[in-house]
Amino acid sequence: GAGVSQSPSNKVTEKGKDVELRCDPISGHTALYWYRQSLGQGLEFLIYFQGNSAPDKSGLPSDRFSAERTGGSVSTLTIQRTQQEDSAVYLCASSRGGDNEKLFFGSGTQLSVL
Amino acid sequence: AQTVTQSQPEMSVQEAETVTLSCTYDTSESNYYLFWYKQPPSRQMILVIRQEAYKQQNATENRFSVNFQKAAKSFSLKISDSQLGDTAMYFCACSNDYKLSFGAGTTVTVRA
Repeated sequence: GAGVSQSPSNKVTEKGKDVELRCDPISGHTALYWYRQSLGQGLEFLIYFQGNSAPDKSGLPSDRFSAERTGGSVSTLTIQRTQQEDSAVYLCASSRGGDNEKLFFGSGTQLSVL
Repeated sequence: AQTVTQSQPEMSVQEAETVTLSCTYDTSESNYYLFWYKQPPSRQMILVIRQEAYKQQNATENRFSVNFQKAAKSFSLKISDSQLGDTAMYFCACSNDYKLSFGAGTTVTVRA
């Protein structure tokens, strides 16, 4: 596609429910990232994919968070048993895969846990 | 591991004036890159400028330029001839290999 696409744009859920956030990277980009941005804060690294594998999951805050990537393309970030502190903007980015490459970001998913 | 510090939460500038955003970083790596990203209200982060640490010459991109002081681990961004469309949050970032570490951001408001 022309850019990184994320869906949904906004998600409101109740505490305890599971949510899935989707990211569709730029075609041909082998590297994919998930970041979390809490209100007024910088971006917190969650996970990095190279192809379908995730060599760095170090930023996932708890075992309630998981992510997968299939076909070297679409990625899904799943949050189980959501908590209020999970409320944030979840940003996805992709790049061609080389080191220190420019990242192309999506517009994010604003998650609100009530 | 890298840490990035932006000490100015908010900046305001008159249209056509110049504003400078501060950023300091810390890294144990010898080879790294520095970035400034812009986040407008649409939330989509856009790369403004990139600097390779081994290059002494400061990067420039149209009205945007950086002052890279490697010994001081400082990487400030200057926006010249500010325009209303420059209103956004600006993030400084440091990368080594694949991972970017971001500062907390500076909100820039350009006044008409």
